[in-house]
Amino acid sequence: AQSVTQLGSHVSVSEGALVLLRCNYSSSVPPYLFWYVQYPNQGLQLLLKYTTGATLVKGINGFEAEFKKSETSFHLTKPSAHMSDAAEYFCAVSSGGGADGLTFGKGTHLIIQP
Amino acid sequence: DTGVSQNPRHKITKRGQNVTFRCDPISEHNRLYWYRQTLGQGPEFLTYFQNEAQLEKSRLLSDRFSAERPKGSFSTLEIQRTEQGDSAMYLCASSSRNYYTDTQYFGPGTRLTVL
Repeated sequence: AQSVTQLGSHVSVSEGALVLLRCNYSSSVPPYLFWYVQYPNQGLQLLLKYTTGATLVKGINGFEAEFKKSETSFHLTKPSAHMSDAAEYFCAVSSGGGADGLTFGKGTHLIIQP
Repeated sequence: DTGVSQNPRHKITKRGQNVTFRCDPISEHNRLYWYRQTLGQGPEFLTYFQNEAQLEKSRLLSDRFSAERPKGSFSTLEIQRTEQGDSAMYLCASSSRNYYTDTQYFGPGTRLTVL
């Protein structure tokens, strides 16, 4: 069984500030980890994913995440927030490289203050 | 690459009616997934197909739900005798066979409202 916990249903940051969205996972096998973003009235878009290899993963729009096995974490960061980053962010885990169904967290709503 | 498409985008129905949704995956993607997303929650996995074979079904998929992918291309999800608790966004995703680069690409979803 696998699960994902996203700490903070809402996160508010000022434009230009660091973005940090937290994700902790539970998996009985080596996990594959994903971050998706969902803009209003749009489908989920992949930001980045970790499968194997380098634990620091870079994604689109300046986002990156680091896989920390010892902490069972996969936090998402961006050095400088932009107004266009306001959206819902979902962390997900898979035990099959994404080939099987993903298990998602409940999401974090990112608010950018001008 | 036109992306994953879903129809209809919105569906309003009365309790007890049957509804059917369609998903057209990205061309040549052999895996197709269905998820359900309720307000304030992340998507929940329902089922997935590899080509026309339905390989996995979640326990969330009650016997009122049925999914098909008859020719390994588009898929349909039918809900019989709808209940108010079925109101949700139904998401479809597709991916290719390459194990190491499997990324699920999501469609815009079908929003179901059961009155």
